[in-house]
Amino acid sequence: QKEVEQNSGPLSVPEGAIASLNCTYSDRGSQSFFWYRQYSGKSPELIMSIYSNGDKEDGRFTAQLNKASQYVSLLIRDSQPSDSATYLCAVNVGGTNAGKSTFGDGTTLTVKP
Amino acid sequence: EAQVTQNPRYLITVTGKKLTVTCSQNMNHEYMSWYRQDPGLGLRQIYYSMNVEVTDKGDVPEGYKVSRKEKRNFPLILESPSPNQTSLYFCASSLSGLGGPYEQYFGPGTRLTVT
Repeated sequence: QKEVEQNSGPLSVPEGAIASLNCTYSDRGSQSFFWYRQYSGKSPELIMSIYSNGDKEDGRFTAQLNKASQYVSLLIRDSQPSDSATYLCAVNVGGTNAGKSTFGDGTTLTVKP
Repeated sequence: EAQVTQNPRYLITVTGKKLTVTCSQNMNHEYMSWYRQDPGLGLRQIYYSMNVEVTDKGDVPEGYKVSRKEKRNFPLILESPSPNQTSLYFCASSLSGLGGPYEQYFGPGTRLTVT
């Protein structure tokens, strides 16, 4: 089992729809969680970070964390063509492996006008 | 401007010829890390450094070396490159806490081809 798994893509949604991206992780002790966006040919950039159970909203983006289910998701409301990118879920285990940062393989999102 | 820089951006080399990819950040971040990105495999961590003179292996450290003599620099060394090290490499830096790194800032990437 991979340490961080993302729903397989590609994911295609129409403009204005809600895009839902999912991520599960295997280490129950994981402490911090991140979503990065990566445009083709570019480097990743942070969208959201989340550290405690529940929802965290930032504009059109909402991150949801459920540590009991070892699940983190990203919702993009009112999706725009400019949201078309690959979204990477990243998990930090913390503790004795505090510097270890594990990324999922990414989900490619296409928003169609 | 706050940034992470990598050099070179593109490099074509031959098997066995030692090379160094430099990484520098101007944000006074304690944490720095190297990743490689291959199609379908996402970002895989090679090495990371929690602070000066402290480095540790990530998931794919074989064939790579790093050093952290200064806070701002974290070079990646391939002492004897092989074709399976052909990849896109990213350096990243961040502030860090007990739970590990916070938001990571990535460099522009170095595309390495080993023939």
